Amino acid sequence: GDSVTQMEGPVTLSEEAFLTINCTYTATGYPSLFWYVQYPGEGLQLLLKATKADDKGSNKGFEATYRKETTSFHLEKGSVQVSDSAVYFCALSDKSADSSYKLIFGSGTRLLVRP
Amino acid sequence: EAGVVQSPRYKIIEKKQPVAFWCNPISGHNTLYWYLQNLGQGPELLIRYENEEAVDDSQLPKDRFSAERLKGVDSTLKIQPAELGDSAVYLCASSWTYEYNEQFFGPGTRLTVL
Repeated sequence: GDSVTQMEGPVTLSEEAFLTINCTYTATGYPSLFWYVQYPGEGLQLLLKATKADDKGSNKGFEATYRKETTSFHLEKGSVQVSDSAVYFCALSDKSADSSYKLIFGSGTRLLVRP
Repeated sequence: EAGVVQSPRYKIIEKKQPVAFWCNPISGHNTLYWYLQNLGQGPELLIRYENEEAVDDSQLPKDRFSAERLKGVDSTLKIQPAELGDSAVYLCASSWTYEYNEQFFGPGTRLTVL
């Protein structure tokens, strides 16, 4: 079945450092790919998405490119801030036989940014 | 536009007690999802509603869990009786329709079973 694998955390960085969180996926079809962020005590918020190969999703300085050849969707940011401290979830959404979409999540990567 | 609303935000109960969680989706969203998020894990789907019909409940432990969405708007998820292993965050999400692949999440209810 479909699955998502993310790098384990926590990832600890100093403010203004470069961020990469790796994500790879396995899917039988042509999924859409997502990054969600969960701040402490809050629900999941969609950070960015890409719906087809070579698409680049971007938001709030974060970027991720849908790489079909490597089945990856790595999250990057050039300069992190303390306020970026959160848990980041990579997810895929693939169309089922009944035309519905099911989100499959990775296990999450905790990011801690120190001043 | 208001987001997905969930209540309560936190709940502490003793094992064997019943508990219920409530969710109000974004106005106009026909599809509603309940997810279970264990500590350190990603969310896992429990049940999906299309309007008032539960169309995917294959992951719902039906011996103790039940859910309803009587008027096709808000929904309630119930556990009776609760077990220690049910301690987790219960997330509600909604989308326009089942054919729309973006879901919007509520803040979740954190359940602690003692």
